[in-house]
Amino acid sequence: DIQMTQSPSAMSASVGDRVTITCRASQDISNYLAWFQQKPGKVPKRLIYAVSTLQGGVPSRFSGSGSGTEFTLTISSLQPEDFATYYCLQHNFYPLTFGGGTKVEIK
Amino acid sequence: EVQLVESGGGLVQPGGSLRLSCAASGFIFSDHYMDWVRQAPGKGLEWVARTRDRAHGYGTEYAASVKGRFTISRDDSRNSLYLQMNSLKADDTAVYYCVRVGDCSGDWCSPADYWGQGALVTVSS
Repeated sequence: DIQMTQSPSAMSASVGDRVTITCRASQDISNYLAWFQQKPGKVPKRLIYAVSTLQGGVPSRFSGSGSGTEFTLTISSLQPEDFATYYCLQHNFYPLTFGGGTKVEIK
Repeated sequence: EVQLVESGGGLVQPGGSLRLSCAASGFIFSDHYMDWVRQAPGKGLEWVARTRDRAHGYGTEYAASVKGRFTISRDDSRNSLYLQMNSLKADDTAVYYCVRVGDCSGDWCSPADYWGQGALVTVSS
């Protein structure tokens, strides 16, 4: 199985901060990488797919980059509504696998 | 508007069975692969199973943790997705989400573009 290692697992940040979350795949997954946001008690929401394609309606402060085995989700200027848990997903190989999640909390 | 509505969750004893359903609307159900994804209380997301569409022979895939115990199926005439869960264990306690797979081009499919609200399954004596 492909292991998706997400880091950090948790972080504290302030409004306006630039936030970077990393996801490393245990082998090359090409561009089969998506990012999801989940707020407490809510359904996960897709933010980005194909590494860097922004889902419609998602603010442009979110961006994705990377290739092969290392991928990054960046929030250029953290807003109050961005405090949530973020997950990466690889969908190149079965079983599909999610990263362990990164909880972004208010500093 | 795409809608996915799960039903059938509840409390079941270890070793028991349960069948989840997902009613889909707002899109051409028969054209899409569909997934089940689960989330144990306070834990992360875990992909469970996939069914392909008719054009791809309704092929299925499973996570190792459920293979041989769970069966994913679909009824395109009813726009419905199912998950039959047998030999349930405490570790299967989770919210189960019905998830649409987006458009496919070759072997690349747009992942998990719409999610249902989830159905809670609790396995406990």
